[in-house]
Amino acid sequence: DAKTTQPPSMDCAEGRAANLPCNHSTISGNEYVYWYRQIHSQGPQYIIHGLKNNETNEMASLIITEDRKSSTLILPHATLRDTAVYYCIVRVGVGIQGAQKLVFGQGTRLTINP
Amino acid sequence: NAGVTQTPKFRVLKTGQSMTLLCAQDMNHEYMYWYRQDPGMGLRLIHYSVGEGTTAKGEVPDGYNVSRLKKQNFLLGLESAAPSQTSVYFCASRRTGATNQPQHFGDGTRLSIL
Repeated sequence: DAKTTQPPSMDCAEGRAANLPCNHSTISGNEYVYWYRQIHSQGPQYIIHGLKNNETNEMASLIITEDRKSSTLILPHATLRDTAVYYCIVRVGVGIQGAQKLVFGQGTRLTINP
Repeated sequence: NAGVTQTPKFRVLKTGQSMTLLCAQDMNHEYMYWYRQDPGMGLRLIHYSVGEGTTAKGEVPDGYNVSRLKKQNFLLGLESAAPSQTSVYFCASRRTGATNQPQHFGDGTRLSIL
């Protein structure tokens, strides 16, 4: 399984940008990097994904290094509702017809402080 | 925006009882997945489906059965519940098998087996 490494916890002040790093040095050339978050007692929520170019959507930005060995998720203006566990994932192929399972590591527990 | 809906949200069973968890998605997605989440274990794939009428085993399929008779529904059955099946169960769906398609999750079913 391709593995990812994230810091176990981070703090960020409300209104500031939250930058969450992830190392994925064993990623294969055609594997996407996905970011999800899980707010307590809810299902994982998809945030963003990318292959090698930087990506931005209404929730966040994703910066991927040129060698693809690491990436950073940026929440530009963090709010209290962004407090959650954030997971950086490189999916793993399994079984038939390209079905892939998500391998969730321990993630980063992000706390947004007022 | 219903997305992925799981029913029931909570359930308590006695050992040996049977039940079915329902996952419904309204996004016309081809792929559907059942995961379980346990403390310290992350998400583990139970079964998945790559289309209507198809099912396949994931990494922890024992004690569970599934059916995908309709494209929008994916059912997870426990024929004879055991305490080891106490967990939070998440369903996910994905548009296609293309590598750039994210999985979208429901809010989970919290199941306790006494």
